[in-house]
Amino acid sequence: AQSVTQLDSHVSVSEGTPVLLRCNYSSSYSPSLFWYVQHPNKGLQLLLKYTSAATLVKGINGFEAEFKKSETSFHLTKPSAHMSDAAEYFCVVSVRTGNQFYFGTGTSLTVIP
Amino acid sequence: DSGVTQTPKHLITATGQRVTLRCSPRSGDLSVYWYQQSLDQGLQFLIQYYNGEERAKGNILERFSAQQFPDLHSELNLSSLELGDSALYFCASSVSTGTSGGETQYFGPGTRLLVL
Repeated sequence: AQSVTQLDSHVSVSEGTPVLLRCNYSSSYSPSLFWYVQHPNKGLQLLLKYTSAATLVKGINGFEAEFKKSETSFHLTKPSAHMSDAAEYFCVVSVRTGNQFYFGTGTSLTVIP
Repeated sequence: DSGVTQTPKHLITATGQRVTLRCSPRSGDLSVYWYQQSLDQGLQFLIQYYNGEERAKGNILERFSAQQFPDLHSELNLSSLELGDSALYFCASSVSTGTSGGETQYFGPGTRLLVL
């Protein structure tokens, strides 16, 4: 079975400082992993995805994530937080045989001016 | 804008009632997925359709059902509603069945259901 664990339910950073949102996965095979963002009262938007190509994945809005098999991690980072980054972030793993998504519990990012 | 549309945006109804949520996938996408987002359960996969046929079921209650029509739009039917069914219901679409996983899903804005 596949699952993801988001290690922090809330993260607070100051504007202009780095962002780190942590995600660990569990999978019996090489997984497909995604990060989605949900702004208040909005749908989910894809930030980036990993599908067994390059382990360092670049996404939109300056976000990137690194797939580390040895640590079973897929942490999301951004060098400098912007006020518009305040949102809920979800780490997702997809089922190999059908593409159904399994979501982490989410990390709420607060950016302090 | 993802290209996935959902109607209605908001729905308020009473316990015991039945409602239908509608989803139109992105142009060209054949797979439709339904998810429920609630405070206590988080985001959960409910059901997937591909080109009119059911492909996979997740944590979908027997009171809930779905279908995908020939024009590829999908409807999620929720019956005998209970207070606990209050949630945000998302529809997503992808190009195909994603038989090897890793296909991007594009999400609609959701339907917020409130059961009183």
